[in-house]
Amino acid sequence: AQSVTQLGSHVSVSEGALVLLRCNYSSSVPPYLFWYVQYPNQGLQLLLKYTTGATLVKGINGFEAEFKKSETSFHLTKPSAHMSDAAEYFCAVSDNTVAGTALIFGKGTTLSVSS
Amino acid sequence: EPEVTQTPSHQVTQMGQEVILRCVPISNHLYFYWYRQILGQKVEFLVSFYNNEISEKSEIFDDQFSVERPDGSNFTLKIRSTKLEDSAMYFCASRFEGADTGELFFGEGSRLTVL
Repeated sequence: AQSVTQLGSHVSVSEGALVLLRCNYSSSVPPYLFWYVQYPNQGLQLLLKYTTGATLVKGINGFEAEFKKSETSFHLTKPSAHMSDAAEYFCAVSDNTVAGTALIFGKGTTLSVSS
Repeated sequence: EPEVTQTPSHQVTQMGQEVILRCVPISNHLYFYWYRQILGQKVEFLVSFYNNEISEKSEIFDDQFSVERPDGSNFTLKIRSTKLEDSAMYFCASRFEGADTGELFFGEGSRLTVL
């Protein structure tokens, strides 16, 4: 069975500071990994994904994440936080060997950005 | 840009009543999903649907839940006899079959409030 652990339910940073949201996964097969963002009262929007190939993936709004198989991690980073980055962030994993398999989400991390 | 649409955006119902939540997935997608997010908690997988049948379901998806694709465009989630704990945001998602990268496209959600 697959699972996702997001360390820290709430992260607070100042505008312009580095953003680091942690995600560790458990999977017995090669995973697909995702970060989704949820702004208040909105649905889930894909930030970025790792499927195969380059382990450093870039997403929208300046975010990137690195797949580290040895650490079973897929941490999300952004060099300089912006006020508009305040949202809920979800890491998710799926089994890339079974077509159509569902994504399993972590509990989410709320990012707050102060001026 | 194609998107997943959900109706209603918000529904208030009395405990014990039946509720149907509707979704129109992206037109060339073939995998469909329902997820639930109780306020302040993580996004939980309920069920996936492919080729007119359930392909995967979680332990949350018990006998009070059912899904249907009544025509070529709609995908519905029915809750037969709602309970207070069914109050949540329900997200529909769809996925493209070919060149599968695992990405799910989510709707804006339907908020269900059970009184």
